[in-house]
Amino acid sequence: DTGVSQDPRHKITKRGQNVTFRCDPISEHNRLYWYRQTLGQGPEFLTYFQNEAQLEKSRLLSDRFSAERPKGSFSTLEIQRTEQGDSAMYLCASSLATSGNEQFFGPGTRLTVL
Amino acid sequence: QQQVKQSPQSLIVQKGGISIINCAYENTAFDYFPWYQQFPGKGPALLIAIRPDVSEKKEGRFTISFNKSAKQFSLHIMDSQPGDSATYFCAAKGSGGYQKVTFGTGTKLQVIP
Repeated sequence: DTGVSQDPRHKITKRGQNVTFRCDPISEHNRLYWYRQTLGQGPEFLTYFQNEAQLEKSRLLSDRFSAERPKGSFSTLEIQRTEQGDSAMYLCASSLATSGNEQFFGPGTRLTVL
Repeated sequence: QQQVKQSPQSLIVQKGGISIINCAYENTAFDYFPWYQQFPGKGPALLIAIRPDVSEKKEGRFTISFNKSAKQFSLHIMDSQPGDSATYFCAAKGSGGYQKVTFGTGTKLQVIP
């Protein structure tokens, strides 16, 4: 499968624990995005990388959230001291800077905070 | 603050009918308007997109109509099929190098046989 992949697909954690999600973009894509989607809502932009540089961050990305893309390939999203309000689907997308605006989404990681 | 408003929230259409979903935006800096289709358990997938210099774009059974002066755009699905049953999101993206895509709240479409 040459699409965007995310791991894990599901994560259940207790409040206060830290969690980390991984996204592997389409191999030649230099742009990578993280979104959060809650039930019945559209995805909300969290952050965007071009290669290893984090170029945009939403105000939704509180101090407990950190995203990295150290070598410009895969990315990780870490949530520290999880809260019940963090329960959501975390979506990753990627795109090629030279090919226009289309962002290709992965299947998401569903986080449940108990 | 919701910059892209979408309606209706849900829609039931008979097979073969026309499904119409409407969206309105506020930010005049938006210059790219995609529609995404999402099936349960999957990420959104791009369906069709339009730029504001075009009033209509058609791809197969899917048509976007765009009214720049009213800041509104809509998706028409002709000859709707049960396989079209999914959640549809309109979205908008700004110009100037910004990559953030702002999504509407979604329309759950059910096409009944």
